[in-house]
Amino acid sequence: AQSVSQHNHHVILSEAASLELGCNYSYGGTVNLFWYVQYPGQHLQLLLKYFSGDPLVKGIKGFEAEFIKSKFSFNLRKPSVQWSDTAEYFCAGMILMEYGNKLVFGAGTILRVKS
Amino acid sequence: DTEVTQTPKHLVMGMTNKKSLKCEQHMGHRAMYWYKQKAKKPPELMFVYSYEKLSINESVPSRFSPECPNSSLLNLHLHALQPEDSALYLCASSQGPQGAGYGYTFGSGTRLTVV
Repeated sequence: AQSVSQHNHHVILSEAASLELGCNYSYGGTVNLFWYVQYPGQHLQLLLKYFSGDPLVKGIKGFEAEFIKSKFSFNLRKPSVQWSDTAEYFCAGMILMEYGNKLVFGAGTILRVKS
Repeated sequence: DTEVTQTPKHLVMGMTNKKSLKCEQHMGHRAMYWYKQKAKKPPELMFVYSYEKLSINESVPSRFSPECPNSSLLNLHLHALQPEDSALYLCASSQGPQGAGYGYTFGSGTRLTVV
């Protein structure tokens, strides 16, 4: 099966706490992984992406993610969250096909940061 | 221009109506996508267009009819929808159909309500 799964559906943190959101993928072939964020009422924005090279990827807004091939994981991290990080976070994997590609999303994690 | 523009932002339609959703990008992207996002769910792929040709149809009911008039425009024609089709419809684009590592740029979506 080609899928992406996220462990936590809801996470509540206080400001300045560290964040780690889990993501696991299960498919073979070339691995292209992404994290998107959806702020309330806004469109999906790309936080970061991995397709090859350094497994530690740095993105926007202080986020980073580490691709660990042996664990089929691509967890999102931030050392110190802010109230403005309250949003829904989606891990996604790109499945490359003969006639195109498709981005498959995990179920999403809703993060609420308490001020 | 680094945006994907979707119109209208909101649409209410009856089950016997015919309406269309529009999507436009001027980034020179050659792949465009329609996704459907139900409340509290991740986006789900509906259609993929590569170089203005339909390349992937994820078994979408025929009451949804996509059209790609040119490389910058993507339409989704709606006819005889059901209330369960109410959702946020997202358009996205990427640099190419084999967009390994590029990720997608998403529009803000059309919030569709079928009454």
